[in-house]
Amino acid sequence: GAGVSQSPRYKVAKRGQDVALRCDPISGHVSLFWYQQALGQGPEFLTYFQNEAQLDKSGLPSDRFFAERPEGSVSTLKIQRTQQEDSAVYLCASSLVLAGVGEQYFGPGTRLTVT
Amino acid sequence: AQRVTQPEKLLSVFKGAPVELKCNYSYSGSPELFWYVQYSRQRLQLLLRHISRESIKGFTADLNKGETSFHLKKPFAQEEDSAMYYCAPLTGGSYIPTFGRGTSLIVHP
Repeated sequence: GAGVSQSPRYKVAKRGQDVALRCDPISGHVSLFWYQQALGQGPEFLTYFQNEAQLDKSGLPSDRFFAERPEGSVSTLKIQRTQQEDSAVYLCASSLVLAGVGEQYFGPGTRLTVT
Repeated sequence: AQRVTQPEKLLSVFKGAPVELKCNYSYSGSPELFWYVQYSRQRLQLLLRHISRESIKGFTADLNKGETSFHLKKPFAQEEDSAMYYCAPLTGGSYIPTFGRGTSLIVHP
C-alpha cells in the first residue's frame, strides 16, 4: 500500500508568511510524529499524536508552531510568521503502535526555505 | 535529557572492508535502540532494532550497557551500503527516540 506522504515537497516562503505542511500517514497507524531536520543534523522531535490527541508538543520551538490531527489521520503542521531559522526539512512519521516503541515509517519530507 | 553521540560525520571505506559506525548514548538504564538509514534520494527507514537481535543486510548492532554504546557493524562493506546512518535510542521514561546527527558512510569500489 501507499506509504506516508507529505505535501508540498518544497515550499519557499518569505519571512513573515504563514505556511501549512500536510502529512498523510499510513492508514490505521495510531501514532504520528513530526520532526525538524536542519542541514547536517539528525531529525529533531517536534510533536507526537496518538490518534487525534496531541500527547507531546515539547519539541515545538515556539508558539509560532502549531500542529493538529483532528480526525486521527491527516495531520497539519502550521508555522506562523516564518523566520529564516525555520528553514529545514520537516519530516512526518507514523507508526502502527503507540509512541515510539515500534518502527516509524517516514514520509519524504517537506523542504521549507524561508527567504 | 537523553543525548546520543555519533562521533564520525563521515566514514569512508573500500568495498570488502569491515565497517563500524559508532553510537553512544547518555542513558544508563535499559534502552531500546534503533538504527535508521537513508539511502540517496530515498526516505528514512528502519535498518534494525536491538530488541529484534536481527542481522539486516549483513549489519549487526550490539548493545554494550557498560559503555552505553550501540555500534553498528558489518564485516564486509558493499557499495550499496553507502548511505546516511542514524542511531536513535529510546529510553525508559521517554517514548520518543532521540536521533543522532548521523554518519555518512561511503563505500568505494
